[in-house]
Amino acid sequence: AQSVTQLGSHVSVSEGALVLLRCNYSSSVPPYLFWYVQYPNQGLQLLLKYTSAATLVKGINGFEAEFKKSETSFHLTKPSAHMSDAAEYFCAVIAGGTGGGNKLTFGTGTQLKVEL
Amino acid sequence: DAGVTQSPTHLIKTRGQQVTLRCSPKSGHDTVSWYQQALGQGPQFIFQYYEEEERQRGNFPDRFSGHQFPNYSSELNVNALLLGDSALYLCASSFLVRATNTEAFFGQGTRLTVV
Repeated sequence: AQSVTQLGSHVSVSEGALVLLRCNYSSSVPPYLFWYVQYPNQGLQLLLKYTSAATLVKGINGFEAEFKKSETSFHLTKPSAHMSDAAEYFCAVIAGGTGGGNKLTFGTGTQLKVEL
Repeated sequence: DAGVTQSPTHLIKTRGQQVTLRCSPKSGHDTVSWYQQALGQGPQFIFQYYEEEERQRGNFPDRFSGHQFPNYSSELNVNALLLGDSALYLCASSFLVRATNTEAFFGQGTRLTVV
């Protein structure tokens, strides 16, 4: 079974500083990996996804993530934080090759706080 | 394009009652999945519908049931509500259940409070 672990339930950065949100995955088959963002009282919005093409994936709002098989990681980064980035971020995985559906398994989330 | 729409947005029910939540998928999507997100947690997969049949199910009791209609819209039903069923219920739609890397679009969710 596949799973993801997000290290750090709360991360605080200063505006303009680097954002680094950590995600490690466990999957018995090559995974598809996703990062979603959730603003208060809203649904989830896809930031980016890894689907076995390029290992460095660029997403919306200046975010990117790098798939590292040797480290089983898919950390999310943004060079310069903006106040509008304050939200909850979820890493998610689908086991590749299942052919049976798009069941997402989510991590527990990381709340990002951006301070002036 | 209206995206994924869910109704109602908020709901308060009493323990033991039954509730029905509704979801209309994004235009062109044929697969609907339901997730439960408890406060402070990540979403948990409940089940997925494609071609009006339940295709996958997560670790949820039979009190949770669903339906998909010919127009691809879906309902989530929960019977004999428990306090622990209080959560944000999210609907996600995607295209072609067999393609495992297609993007899932989420609705705004229905906030269910059981008292």
